[in-house]
Amino acid sequence: DIQMTQSPLSLSASVGDRVTIICRASQDISNSLAWLQRKAGRAPESLIFHASSLQSGVPSRFSGSGSGTDFTLTINGLQPEDFAIYYCQQYNSYPPTFGQGTKVEVK
Amino acid sequence: QVTLRESGPALLKPTQTLTLTCTFSGFSFNIRGMCMSWIRQSPGKGLEWLARIDWDDDKKYSTPLKTRLSISKDTSKNQVVLTMTNMDPVDTATYYCARTFYSENSGLYWYFDLWGRGTLVTVSS
Repeated sequence: DIQMTQSPLSLSASVGDRVTIICRASQDISNSLAWLQRKAGRAPESLIFHASSLQSGVPSRFSGSGSGTDFTLTINGLQPEDFAIYYCQQYNSYPPTFGQGTKVEVK
Repeated sequence: QVTLRESGPALLKPTQTLTLTCTFSGFSFNIRGMCMSWIRQSPGKGLEWLARIDWDDDKKYSTPLKTRLSISKDTSKNQVVLTMTNMDPVDTATYYCARTFYSENSGLYWYFDLWGRGTLVTVSS
């Protein structure tokens, strides 16, 4: 199985900050990478697919980049509703696998 | 409105069988490329894909768990059902259903575009 490693596992930030989360795959996954957001008590929400394509309805302050093994999720201008846990997921090969998650907390 | 909702028992005893239901609304499952997966997250652990059923009734299972899992659908009720036998405390987790809807050559064969809120299942004697 492809291992997905995220860093950092947690970070503290303030509203308005630029936040960057890194995801690394154990082997080349091309651009078959998604980012999702999970808030307590709510359904996880898919943010980005194909490494950089925004899911419909997702604010443009979210952006993704990367290909191969190294990927980045950036939030430009963190908003109060963005404090959550973020996961990357590879869908290049079976089985789909996820990163450990990065918790974005209030500084 | 397009939604997924998981339901099932909150508490099970070891060795019992878990039956979870995913009820969906706002879309039809009888469309080529429509699929539903079950994914879980144990406390303090990562997300783990368990099983998937496709619009054409093709089924896939996690290799380590395949002997314990069974997935089925009832499109007349807009439901997908997962059963897991011989439950153990290590199976304590929040269980999610998640949709995949792919088109030919889209590369989205294992991408989950819609998730349910999840249901917490605790296994304890």
